[in-house]
Amino acid sequence: AQTVTQSQPEMSVQEAETVTLSCTYDTSESDYYLFWYKQPPSRQMILVIRQEAYKQQNATENRFSVNFQKAAKSFSLKISDSQLGDAAMYFCAYRSGGNYQLIWGAGTKLIIKP
Amino acid sequence: EAQVTQNPRYLITVTGKKLTVTCSQNMNHEYMSWYRQDPGLGLRQIYYSMNVEVTDKGDVPEGYKVSRKEKRNFPLILESPSPNQTSLYFCASSLSGVHYTFGSGTRLTVV
Repeated sequence: AQTVTQSQPEMSVQEAETVTLSCTYDTSESDYYLFWYKQPPSRQMILVIRQEAYKQQNATENRFSVNFQKAAKSFSLKISDSQLGDAAMYFCAYRSGGNYQLIWGAGTKLIIKP
Repeated sequence: EAQVTQNPRYLITVTGKKLTVTCSQNMNHEYMSWYRQDPGLGLRQIYYSMNVEVTDKGDVPEGYKVSRKEKRNFPLILESPSPNQTSLYFCASSLSGVHYTFGSGTRLTVV
């Protein structure tokens, strides 16, 4: 069975600095998708970034980028120029190419220090 | 506005009293699912549905029921709630499995 591991329960970063959240996953499949979701105190699930496994190029969305290491099964999220509004829980999720179920990590709470 | 509407947002109930959490989407998505979120465990899938009248168990289905009589609605039913079902619940839908739309969550407390 596929698993997703986020080894950092909590991270803190100074405003305007860069922070990297780690995520590793275990799968024997070659076709899959990886996601980072943000959950602010409002509880809403907000997609931050998505990566298709067949794409070698790392996905980027403005200040958010990923380091996708397929062989190492690693999918870390880098947040540049951290802002107070980035404070939230961040979840890494995996989806097999064969079905729509999302497998989630335990989450990382990101604290931004002003 | 494309959305998943989930109700209620908060619910406190007593052990054994049947309850239903409603979920409705207006995007004509075929796939819908329910997750529960617990601290330190992330989200875990309870049930999912690939289309009308087609439902299947996720990873933690015990104590839950669902139905999919119409494409837009996917209610979660707890026939006899117990305290270990105290959790944050999310409904989600998707057209292609690439983009997911989530409801705003239901905080359920069973005393």
